[in-house]
Amino acid sequence: AQTVTQSQPEMSVQEAETVTLSCTYDTSESNYYLFWYKQPPSRQMILVIRQEAYKQQNATENRFSVNFQKAAKSFSLKISDSQLGDTAMYFCAFIELNAGNNRKLIWGLGTSLAVNP
Amino acid sequence: DTEVTQTPKHLVMGMTNKKSLKCEQHMGHRAMYWYKQKAKKPPELMFVYSYEKLSINESVPSRFSPECPNSSLLNLHLHALQPEDSALYLCASSQGRAARNTEAFFGQGTRLTVV
Repeated sequence: AQTVTQSQPEMSVQEAETVTLSCTYDTSESNYYLFWYKQPPSRQMILVIRQEAYKQQNATENRFSVNFQKAAKSFSLKISDSQLGDTAMYFCAFIELNAGNNRKLIWGLGTSLAVNP
Repeated sequence: DTEVTQTPKHLVMGMTNKKSLKCEQHMGHRAMYWYKQKAKKPPELMFVYSYEKLSINESVPSRFSPECPNSSLLNLHLHALQPEDSALYLCASSQGRAARNTEAFFGQGTRLTVV
């Protein structure tokens, strides 16, 4: 069975500093996507960054970057220059592309990140 | 327009009431989803519609009844709910079940309280 593990239930960081959130996953498939979603107190689930498994280059979106280690099945999120607005639950998620009509997101349990002034 | 719009934002209903949640998107997406989310937990998939046909029902109790009237609209009809059904209900859409781009766009959710 495919699983996603986020080992840090809660984290905190000072404003302007860098923080890294961990995610590991387990799958026997080779064709998949990985995502980091952010859910602030406003409840909106927002896609932060995505990574295609066949791409070796790590994805980057402004202050957000990932360290994708396919062999180790690791997909960590680095947030640089943390801002107060980054305070949110962060979910790591996985989707396997060959599942056809059974394709669905597999979610980690989330990491609650607090950015302190 | 990259929005998924859900109404209402908040809903309080009694256990004997019938109500509906609505979801709308105009991105041309052909896959739409209902999720249930409890506080500080990940979303739990309930239903998936692909090209207006129900493709996944995650063994959801029959007191939840989904409907997809057209490619832009998704409803969730609620009847005889229990207090444990109180949660945030999220709607999402994506390009299509077979599309390589699997990015899902989420609405802001409906906070449902069953009394």
